[in-house]
This record gives sequence, structure tokens and C-alpha cells, in this order.
Amino acid sequence: EDKVVQSPLSLVVHEGDTVTLNCSYEVTNFRSLLWYKQEKKAPTFLFMLTSSGIEKKSGRLSSILDKKELFSILNITATQTGDSAVYLCAVELNYGGSQGNLIFGKGTKLSVKP
Amino acid sequence: AAGVIQSPRHLIKEKRETATLKCYPIPRHDTVYWYQQGPGQDPQFLISFYEKMQSDKGSIPDRFSAQQFSDYHSELNMSSLELGDSALYFCASSSTGGYYEQYFGPGTRLTVT
Repeated sequence: EDKVVQSPLSLVVHEGDTVTLNCSYEVTNFRSLLWYKQEKKAPTFLFMLTSSGIEKKSGRLSSILDKKELFSILNITATQTGDSAVYLCAVELNYGGSQGNLIFGKGTKLSVKP
Repeated sequence: AAGVIQSPRHLIKEKRETATLKCYPIPRHDTVYWYQQGPGQDPQFLISFYEKMQSDKGSIPDRFSAQQFSDYHSELNMSSLELGDSALYFCASSSTGGYYEQYFGPGTRLTVT
């Protein structure tokens, strides 16, 4: 059975701290791994990772994928209260060479205190 | 542990046809959310149900309707399908009624030809 496991499930930090969110997966037909931030109704896209070892960065956020060990991490440096959200990891399955379904983890709820 | 189940996982329809997508929430979850994710786009919130009543409405087209049944499963009915309806349709469930702590299903990939 395809599964995506995120850890920790929740995290409370203070502004300025650095956090690392983890996502491990076991799927039959990997295509890509995606990170989302959910703070309002719908998740917003952060990163898509397809290749091992290539870090993607966007401001204070960065992410990397290890396809050998089947995990990804999302780093947030110098956290701000606006980073408080649920961070979702999802693995996209390959479907006949095309985009397939997304298997989501349960999310990590990050709370950043002033 | 049981997760959110969606069926079918893949669906191919022609323009102007109808489609029905089903979502079975995690046991004891009373809230269901539907999202549409087009290629390269963020998921867009369509509609949600809490205790079998519509609780919130997003960008759901008039051609679509949805409902939640007494066993809490939900169905999204889509009529007069258009090419632009091709997308991944997610269902999520929660026990809180709020937008945190949603558990997402694997989606139904709809292709309209």
C-alpha cells in the first residue's frame, strides 16, 4: 500500500528558530514529491522535487529529496509567525508515464510563537 | 489506519458527458471537502459538507453539484463536462469541521477528451 509519513505531526517553535520537517514515503510508482502549505482553505504549492540531492530554495524555505532513502525534508530558517500553518507532503504517482494520483501525508502543524 | 477513499482513481470522459466522483471519509469524520487541482495549479477549494449539510462553498461551477449522505460519504456530480474540467479532484475529511487537520484522499484523475 502506498503511504507517506510526515513527522513530527506538530511542532511549536519561537520566531527566529530553524525547523526541519520530515517526509518519508513508500510508493509503487514514484513520479515526484510535492510540499504544500495549508493555512486557509486550500493548500498552496511550495516545491516539487523529482531528482535526488538537488536542493530547491524559495526565500527562507528549502527542500531536498533522497530517492534512495525515500525521504524529503523541508527546512524553514528564521521562522516568522506567518509561517504557522500545516505543511503537507504528497507523492505523485506515475500513471502510464503521465501524472497520477497524489498520496498525502497527514501534515505537520507548525506553530511559530512571537 | 483507514484513510480517505476516492473512487474511481482514474476516469476518462468525453465532452458533454457526466461524471460522478465518490469520496469515503475516514471513519468518524463528519466533514468532507472537495478540491480541484488543474495541471500546474494549486488545489482550488470547491465545496465542503459538515454533518450532511453544505458548510462552505468555493469556486464550484454551476454544472457541478455535490452532497453528503447519511453514512458521511460524499459524491461530486459533474455534468456537461468541458475539456477544462480535466484535473485531479481531491476529497479530504476531518473530524473538526475546520480547515486544519484535513486528511486527503489520493484523488480522482479526470480526463475529458
